[in-house]
Amino acid sequence: QQQVKQSPQSLIVQKGGISIINCAYENTAFDYFPWYQQFPGKGPALLIAIRPDVSEKKEGRFTISFNKSAKQFSLHIMDSQPGDSATYFCAASASGSRLTFGEGTQLTVNP
Amino acid sequence: DTAVSQTPKYLVTQMGNDKSIKCEQNLGHDTMYWYKQDSKKFLKIMFSYNNKELIINETVPNRFSPKSPDKAHLNLHINSLELGDSAVYFCASSFTPLSNQPQHFGDGTRLSIL
Repeated sequence: QQQVKQSPQSLIVQKGGISIINCAYENTAFDYFPWYQQFPGKGPALLIAIRPDVSEKKEGRFTISFNKSAKQFSLHIMDSQPGDSATYFCAASASGSRLTFGEGTQLTVNP
Repeated sequence: DTAVSQTPKYLVTQMGNDKSIKCEQNLGHDTMYWYKQDSKKFLKIMFSYNNKELIINETVPNRFSPKSPDKAHLNLHINSLELGDSAVYFCASSFTPLSNQPQHFGDGTRLSIL
């Protein structure tokens, strides 16, 4: 059972544009929502994470928006750069349980 | 200094063979994981160990047997390899088993079954 649905599967953005990746979850017990970034040939690396007590978290060009009532959260990459081209995974977990990952979004930023 | 290192990076072998993948972390973490990433890049947890004790064992065939000789090492042995085992296997670690702790991943072992 896929508990975290991620879209789009792939995304192409021009340099300087805004990249937006969306995730939806079903389990209302989830209380931790990280995003991981994976470059080709490398393992995923934590990018940014949010808890449901806040609606937004920003770190540099990366922002997570969280909508608890809609059970959705999204990653916004401002001023997207070619170096941001990677696969992005959202994930979710409930206290003490394992991380459940979304299906991944392959982002390509054209120069 | 690689934080989570896996060997080998690539593994090509015949169906029916037995193979092992090794993982070591030098971060001082107590918890280690094995994940499988399929051809569609879907990441799924297989096992987790905390201080050498198995704490997560997903629905994985018995042909897969993890072993943690100490909390810095977690190895994965696979018996009677099948075509469907072809994937990238990632080792990861975190300070504690709590899922709100950042997990640090290795660069993966790409397993190809001929």
